Amino acid sequence: DAGVIQSPRHEVTEMGQEVTLRCKPISGHNSLFWYRQTMMRGLELLIYFNNNVPIDDSGMPEDRFSAKMPNASFSTLKIQPSEPRDSAVYFCASSLGGSETQYFGPGTRLLVL
Amino acid sequence: LAKTTQPISMDSYEGQEVNITCSHNNIATNDYITWYQQFPSQGPRFIIQGYKTKVTNEVASLFIPADRKSSTLSLPRVSLSDTAVYYCLVDSYSGAGSYQLTFGKGTKLSVIP
Repeated sequence: DAGVIQSPRHEVTEMGQEVTLRCKPISGHNSLFWYRQTMMRGLELLIYFNNNVPIDDSGMPEDRFSAKMPNASFSTLKIQPSEPRDSAVYFCASSLGGSETQYFGPGTRLLVL
Repeated sequence: LAKTTQPISMDSYEGQEVNITCSHNNIATNDYITWYQQFPSQGPRFIIQGYKTKVTNEVASLFIPADRKSSTLSLPRVSLSDTAVYYCLVDSYSGAGSYQLTFGKGTKLSVIP
């Protein structure tokens, strides 16, 4: 298996633009997680899905952020409109279940100017 | 929700045993403790998971005392390639398939030749 795949790997955009991050989890995994990592705040869980259903989105910072998982092999994290403070590395991870080992993707490094 | 506390950084010489302790004072009965390792520009990678007493694998050992309010990750005979950030994670089950996943701030381990 190729592991968790994220795209794009790097994204530079201007404030106010819409940003869409994509994730393909490991085949057969039932849980998918979106994290954000910054120097100041460390690694934060934004949202996680179980069987394509959002279970906990309490970590989503505000209404500008939204996440979807239309099927078991694809998820998106959208920021609209983007702001400079959204600059961070966004990781997607998947696991067989909520408490099982998480396998992280390589991350998307987002810079909002 | 179990909050974790761990040292910000540690230094060690090659060949030494390194012990990193994580505090999780309000860990719940059903919570598991998991440690992840993260290299620069990569996503975190699972190292070890435990519930109580001692767990050992080919990479590390995890010691959890009876009260489970802390845990210690032990890395035997570290090498330069063990230089990374190590995260302590408590998987807190909050019912209805929902897990509260809390990463600590991480401990930056620097191995010195």
